[in-house]
Parts: sequence; C-alpha cells; structure tokens
Amino acid sequence: EIVLTQSPGTLSLSPGERATLSCRASQSVSSNYLAWYQQRPGQAPRLLIYGASGRATGIPDRFSGSGSGTDFTLTISRLEPEDFAVYYCQQYGSSPTFGQGTKLEIK
Amino acid sequence: EVQLLESGGGLVQPGGSLRLSCAASGFTLSNYAMSWVRQAPGKGLEWVSTISGSGGTTSYADSVKGRFTISRDSSKNTLYLRMNSLRGEDTAVYYCAKGGISRFDLWGQGTLVTVSS
Repeated sequence: EIVLTQSPGTLSLSPGERATLSCRASQSVSSNYLAWYQQRPGQAPRLLIYGASGRATGIPDRFSGSGSGTDFTLTISRLEPEDFAVYYCQQYGSSPTFGQGTKLEIK
Repeated sequence: EVQLLESGGGLVQPGGSLRLSCAASGFTLSNYAMSWVRQAPGKGLEWVSTISGSGGTTSYADSVKGRFTISRDSSKNTLYLRMNSLRGEDTAVYYCAKGGISRFDLWGQGTLVTVSS
C-alpha cells in the first residue's frame, strides 16, 4: 500500500496570499496518478487536480498541481475566502489511498 | 444534472447489517467504475470498495474485506454497498464516487452510518 504524507497539517494564511501544500508518497506513484481534493465543512470532497497537474472541470486557474514520482505539490496562487478548507491528496495507481489532509485556515 | 444521491444510512447495533444505495442521474452508472469512500467523524478519507465498469471486477479495502459487498443494478442506475458484521470502527459518512482505479470526479453528498449499542 502506498502511504501518502501531507504537510503541513495546518496552514494559516490570509486571503490574497499564496498557499503551498505538499504530498509525499512512500513509493513512486505510477504514471503520476495523483489527485487533489478540496473539502469544505459539511460538504463532500471536490476534485481539483488529477494526473498531478491537470485541472478538473470548472476549477479556477489559481489552483495548480505539480510534481512527479514521490513528491507532489498543490499551489493556490491567491487565496480567496472560499479556499479555506481541508485538502487531500490521493493516489490511484494501485488500490486508492488518501493523505491525512491539510487544513488551510484563515490567519 | 449529473449527480449521485446516497441513502440507507442510520443507526445499527454492532454485528448488524445495512445496505447503502447510491442513485445516479445524468449519466449511465454502468459505463464507469464506481466506488465507496468513507470518512469517520473528524477524520480523513478512506477508500472502501470499487466495482469495475463491466461489473466483473470488485475490490475492497482490507478493513472491510469479507464483510462488505459492492454491487449495482443497471436497470435502476443504482450502486449498492451491503455491510455485514458491522463494528464501531465502521461508523462514518459513506460517500459514493464515480471512478475507481482513477480519480473520483463526482461525489454524492454522503450518508451517515452509526454503529452503536
């Protein structure tokens, strides 16, 4: 099983700032089958990024993904109030696994 | 509108059974792999099970293997999760999601299962 470790656990930033979230895999993620999800309180997760860097339909271009192999990053260029939420990475090259999440909170 | 709607959650005693349903609208469920993902209260996401687009292949997390069964009814465009021998650690919101050995690009709103005496 591929274990995903996200850092930091909590990130405190202000609207307008840039956010950088990290996801590290215990072994290489095949074909960069790495996705990112956003989950707001009381809501279901929403797909943001797939294939490490592909933006899902309807996702604003301030969200971007990068990385390969075992190290991946989600960047939010300029934080909007609605971006404060929990973010999960997920690998789907083998039996799907999720990271433990990064909570992005308002500073 | 493309959406998934789960139902069937509730309170069940340890050792009991429950069947969750997920009705799809706006697309044909049997054309895609479909999955169940759960989230214990205040915790992260955990993949539970996947059924392939053909229906011929199913897979399960080790934590539920032998107790849970995923299936679907194409005539009703509905996905199911039969859960037997339920334990306290199965308490969670259960989401159905479109996708399997791929990203999950559509999620339902979830249904809460509480296992308690």
